[in-house]
Amino acid sequence: EPEVTQTPSHQVTQMGQEVILRCVPISNHLYFYWYRQILGQKVEFLVSFYNNEISEKSEIFDDQFSVERPDGSNFTLKIRSTKLEDSAMYFCASSTGLEPYEQYFGPGTRLTVT
Amino acid sequence: AQSVTQPDIHITVSEGASLELRCNYSYGATPYLFWYVQSPGQGLQLLLKYFSGDTLVQGIKGFEAEFKRSQSSFNLRKPSVHWSDAAEYFCAVGAEGNTGKLIFGQGTTLQVKP
Repeated sequence: EPEVTQTPSHQVTQMGQEVILRCVPISNHLYFYWYRQILGQKVEFLVSFYNNEISEKSEIFDDQFSVERPDGSNFTLKIRSTKLEDSAMYFCASSTGLEPYEQYFGPGTRLTVT
Repeated sequence: AQSVTQPDIHITVSEGASLELRCNYSYGATPYLFWYVQSPGQGLQLLLKYFSGDTLVQGIKGFEAEFKRSQSSFNLRKPSVHWSDAAEYFCAVGAEGNTGKLIFGQGTTLQVKP
């Protein structure tokens, strides 16, 4: 069964450093998402991406964040200058778009900013 | 603003007992509703979804949920819990505007006693 994959599973970085989180969505999916979950809190929407453009972004998704689909398979989230409060689990999700809310999630990348 | 409330942060049930996890939402129109499960160290797995039609929906792993518009609820049930069901359960609603954005509840942690 196809699945969304994410790398790395755990990333430790120092405050102020740039990080890139990588995702490989399911191959025939057209809509891509990033969510995050700070420890002990609810899962929060960050951004949706379709046709090489951001469809919607939350207030969390400020200028420090960017997303890119650099090739036909990867979908990346970049944080330019990490802050302590960026420490969280980051989930990538994808959907076919037939039912855009029906998303399939990857296992997540745990980002720890020290 | 749209929101999802899961009143129970933590629930403990005995193996073989029945289970009901509560979810209430606020949404103007007919919502798209979901239940996801997150096992320790894993991503979010879709258990079931409600888009329209029959208000009782069946999902994977023997779970079902019932949409009750009058109560703005979408409670998850299972007649007989197995030890492997211990996990965190998230209720989610699709945000207005058909953007694909999911709004999650706080989550309910299920512990299963032998």
